[in-house]
Amino acid sequence: GNSVTQMEGPVTLSEEAFLTINCTYTATGYPSLFWYVQYPGEGLQLLLKATKADDKGSNKGFEATYRKETTSFHLEKGSVQVSDSAVYFCASGYNNDMRFGAGTRLTVKP
Amino acid sequence: DVKVTQSSRYLVKRTGEKVFLECVQDMDHENMFWYRQDPGLGLRLIYFSYDVKMKEKGDIPEGYSVSREKKERFSLILESASTNQTSMYLCASSLRNEQYFGPGTRLTVT
Repeated sequence: GNSVTQMEGPVTLSEEAFLTINCTYTATGYPSLFWYVQYPGEGLQLLLKATKADDKGSNKGFEATYRKETTSFHLEKGSVQVSDSAVYFCASGYNNDMRFGAGTRLTVKP
Repeated sequence: DVKVTQSSRYLVKRTGEKVFLECVQDMDHENMFWYRQDPGLGLRLIYFSYDVKMKEKGDIPEGYSVSREKKERFSLILESASTNQTSMYLCASSLRNEQYFGPGTRLTVT
């Protein structure tokens, strides 16, 4: 079946540090892959996505590459800011069968 | 911008009460979803609907029902609320593979 495993948190970084949050998926076929972000008190917002192998999704300095050979979609950012503090969810799937990881809480300290 | 709204941000109900959570989307999306979000478990699908009056069970439908009488509105019903249904409830609608989330309803059952 379709499932997602992402890096457990919490993750605490200093401002301008490099961020990686690991995400791997299992799926039949070729799912679309997503990263969502949830700021305190809010719902999830789509951060970036990739729909086929080797696609790179990017937004607000965040990037993730669809790696079919390693079934991974790791989230990276070169220099995090305090405003990036949030919970990040990796997701994999198809229209009506979307699976989410458990979420990784990121705290960025000034 | 897609807008998904939920009727309440916070709700406190008593055990045994019937609870209605409402969700409205303004982008004419065919698919709508109800999830619950619990720490360490990520998002789990309760029900989804792919058209008016059509519904499918998700992973954890027990204790819940849904209603979709109009395309823009998808309601989640807790027939007899129990304390283990205390959670954050998220509604989403989707276009192709992208899901758009509402702000969530934090429900406490005492």
